[in-house]
Amino acid sequence: NAGVTQTPKFRILKIGQSMTLQCTQDMNHNYMYWYRQDPGMGLKLIYYSVGAGITDKGEVPNGYNVSRSTTEDFPLRLELAAPSQTSVYFCASSYGQGAVDEQYFGPGTRLTVT
Amino acid sequence: KQEVTQIPAALSVPEGENLVLNCSFTDSAIYNLQWFRQDPGKGLTSLLLIQSSQREQTSGRLNASLDKSSGRSTLYIAASQPGDSATYLCAVLFWGNEKLTFGTGTRLTIIP
Repeated sequence: NAGVTQTPKFRILKIGQSMTLQCTQDMNHNYMYWYRQDPGMGLKLIYYSVGAGITDKGEVPNGYNVSRSTTEDFPLRLELAAPSQTSVYFCASSYGQGAVDEQYFGPGTRLTVT
Repeated sequence: KQEVTQIPAALSVPEGENLVLNCSFTDSAIYNLQWFRQDPGKGLTSLLLIQSSQREQTSGRLNASLDKSSGRSTLYIAASQPGDSATYLCAVLFWGNEKLTFGTGTRLTIIP
């Protein structure tokens, strides 16, 4: 199993540009999550999904959108990128809810908006 | 407000010593607690998960304890090695939530 994979690893965006961060898991997990991690801060949940076709907002959803058309994929869309979205983004998945089961994390995408 | 705190933010320890990392949380109504390891530029790796009904979990040289009444968890690392150098994060699933609440982590450096 590849686990949780994320692309790209790094990206630099100009203010106002859009992009999609890709996340795929091959563990047949129901739950998937997007987090952002800012320097010196804990992880903040952006969006999560409890299964294909179902998504819900986390703590910091503004400026982002997600979709979950398949069990495997959970892309995160940034529209009109802003400097405040400079961060490291992590995708995670788990079989059960939250941490009923362990969450498995991808390697992250480091995004800079200038 | 449900919060998770990890103090200190950074810790340096000579190789071979035993050490304890601390995690405190503001609400004792938790479902479970996880300890993660994060290497620089990498994602998080789950180390130990403790259910609310458990007092501790062990994996190799790692032992995590949970005291809900005092709102504390500790991660004990025995016979530390340079390869243990990383940031260790604690995360709590509070009852009624669907998301983990993360601490800001302790950056551990093992000095050879």
